[in-house]
Amino acid sequence: AQRVTQPEKLLSVFKGAPVELKCNYSYSGSPELFWYVQYSRQRLQLLLRHISRESIKGFTADLNKGETSFHLKKPFAQEEDSAMYYCALKNQAGTALIFGKGTTLSVSS
Amino acid sequence: DTGVSQDPRHKITKRGQNVTFRCDPISEHNRLYWYRQTLGQGPEFLTYFQNEAQLEKSRLLSDRFSAERPKGSFSTLEIQRTEQGDSAMYLCASSLPGGQRNTIYFGEGSWLTVV
Repeated sequence: AQRVTQPEKLLSVFKGAPVELKCNYSYSGSPELFWYVQYSRQRLQLLLRHISRESIKGFTADLNKGETSFHLKKPFAQEEDSAMYYCALKNQAGTALIFGKGTTLSVSS
Repeated sequence: DTGVSQDPRHKITKRGQNVTFRCDPISEHNRLYWYRQTLGQGPEFLTYFQNEAQLEKSRLLSDRFSAERPKGSFSTLEIQRTEQGDSAMYLCASSLPGGQRNTIYFGEGSWLTVV
């Protein structure tokens, strides 16, 4: 079965603290994973994808096939990082994304 | 804004009525997707078009739902005989042809409330 699990509904941190948003997946073969972000009153937008191995807005995510995880990390959270974050997995056919339930990140000063 | 646009943004309808949502994808994006999102859940895939061909439908897409993309540009999603369980955000997305580098871009969504 193809599935994405985000175990935390809400993560609250203080500005400057490290952030780790957890994502675990279930997939046969080589997964293609993404993090999408939705800021308040904005549309869902791609944050990063694992194949790019990039850092966007200070966020990184490493695919760990042994632990079937793709956790999103940032060493120092900023207030503007407050948003809803969704982990997503491309389905076997490559035609759609399977999303987790999302984690709300709240960064306060 | 040249992103994916959806209309209407909000719709309140009585149970049993039909509703139709429209999606205009980003120009030149030949792939178009519909998703549904309910409170506390991530988006759930409904259906996918490549040009005018509907290539995949989720089991979530009951017989009361129909999607079209007649000319391979805009798409419509119609829900017939709406039920309260249809209340959700309906998201449209588009992308260029398959490939690992092609990003799926989402619209702002159409909120449906069935009363």
